[in-house]
Amino acid sequence: DAKTTQPNSMESNEEEPVHLPCNHSTISGTDYIHWYRQLPSQGPEYVIHGLTSNVNNRMASLAIAEDRKSSTLILHRATLRDAAVYYCILRDNTGTASKLTFGTGTRLQVTL
Amino acid sequence: DTGVSQNPRHKITKRGQNVTFRCDPISEHNRLYWYRQTLGQGPEFLTYFQNEAQLEKSRLLSDRFSAERPKGSFSTLEIQRTEQGDSAMYLCASSRLWRGGLETQYFGPGTRLLVL
Repeated sequence: DAKTTQPNSMESNEEEPVHLPCNHSTISGTDYIHWYRQLPSQGPEYVIHGLTSNVNNRMASLAIAEDRKSSTLILHRATLRDAAVYYCILRDNTGTASKLTFGTGTRLQVTL
Repeated sequence: DTGVSQNPRHKITKRGQNVTFRCDPISEHNRLYWYRQTLGQGPEFLTYFQNEAQLEKSRLLSDRFSAERPKGSFSTLEIQRTEQGDSAMYLCASSRLWRGGLETQYFGPGTRLLVL
């Protein structure tokens, strides 16, 4: 599986936007970029995914670089409930993908 | 809307004992995954089922570990002769595989195992 690189931790003030970066320079043409997050004492939860175009949903936005070697998860207004570990994961789209390969993710701290 | 449930949520056992964990996936989800997570690390894949067939096992899944999904619904993960290194959070996830291969995995709250 292609590897992703994320900062170990980031901090944000509540109600401010947060940009969580992810580098994936060895991404292949069939890899989707997925983001999951893990709140304290919970299992991971799906946030968003994309292939080439920027994506928006009710939780976040995903901005994908034109060369697809990096992406950024955007939380438009961070709240205390967004404090979690955020994982950027590449997933093959050829129909054979199964497991998720997690890295160590970015621990997001949100303060008042 | 019932999510993925796991039982027990916590388990403390002595080294050498056997333990069994249960996972109940979201209804009609045909795929079921087991992951293990140690402190400060992301989850690591152990094994997964499509319906009742176990399709992939990680090298992490030693011969002391066995997983079953007998009727394609709930699954059990058994660890025999537990070791202190087995102490971890065991996570279960389920998904429904759509055409095209994309799927979202829904995780349970996990079972935290402590081996003394």
